[in-house]
Amino acid sequence: EVQLVESGGGLVQPGGSLRLSCAVSGFTFSSYWMHWVRQVPGKGLVWVSRINSDGSKTTYADSVKGRFTISKDYAKNTLYLQMNSLRAEDTAVYYCARDFKRYFDYWGQGTLVTVSS
Amino acid sequence: SYVLTQPPSVSVAPGETARISCGGNNIGSKSVHWYQQKPGQAPVLVISYDNDRPSGIPERFSGSNSGNTATLTISRVEAGDEADYHCQVWDSSSDHWVFGGGTKLTVL
Repeated sequence: EVQLVESGGGLVQPGGSLRLSCAVSGFTFSSYWMHWVRQVPGKGLVWVSRINSDGSKTTYADSVKGRFTISKDYAKNTLYLQMNSLRAEDTAVYYCARDFKRYFDYWGQGTLVTVSS
Repeated sequence: SYVLTQPPSVSVAPGETARISCGGNNIGSKSVHWYQQKPGQAPVLVISYDNDRPSGIPERFSGSNSGNTATLTISRVEAGDEADYHCQVWDSSSDHWVFGGGTKLTVL
């Protein structure tokens, strides 16, 4: 059974940093692209970042480029999102999702990030 | 950047047909995917590649895509279909993934 479990969310001050984790199981992690998608409660989904199967290529939404870094740890079967220079507008539920032919076939349950003083 | 536009809300009576649109410039040349999201839950794929249903999704769900509009159609709507629906494409020119703003389906 495919499972994605996010962790690492919480309250952080503006300008601070946070690292989100997504532990995966039930599939070969090294064979799939992975993404982070966020959602302000009550609003729509917004794509954040993508990493390819071997970790050699990453892509970011303009709103987070230069501040966020996506990475994979194959030994731990874990996807990460390092978030620096956080802003109030980064407040959202962050989902990790598996890519299958350019759509998202499995999602985690989400982790809430709140940026506030 | 590529933009997808969805109506904020659609209402339909039980047993009727709901149609949720997703507009974008020449969206017919792209592949559109649809997700259902119920309150407090993660999104679930209901349609991929314009009109492919994943296993476990009822035949009542179907999709179409042409010109500047893609449409998710839900036939014989049930109370359990009440949810937010999001369309999504991959924009090859930017290598970015794009979502519409989401549509809240209310079953009257």
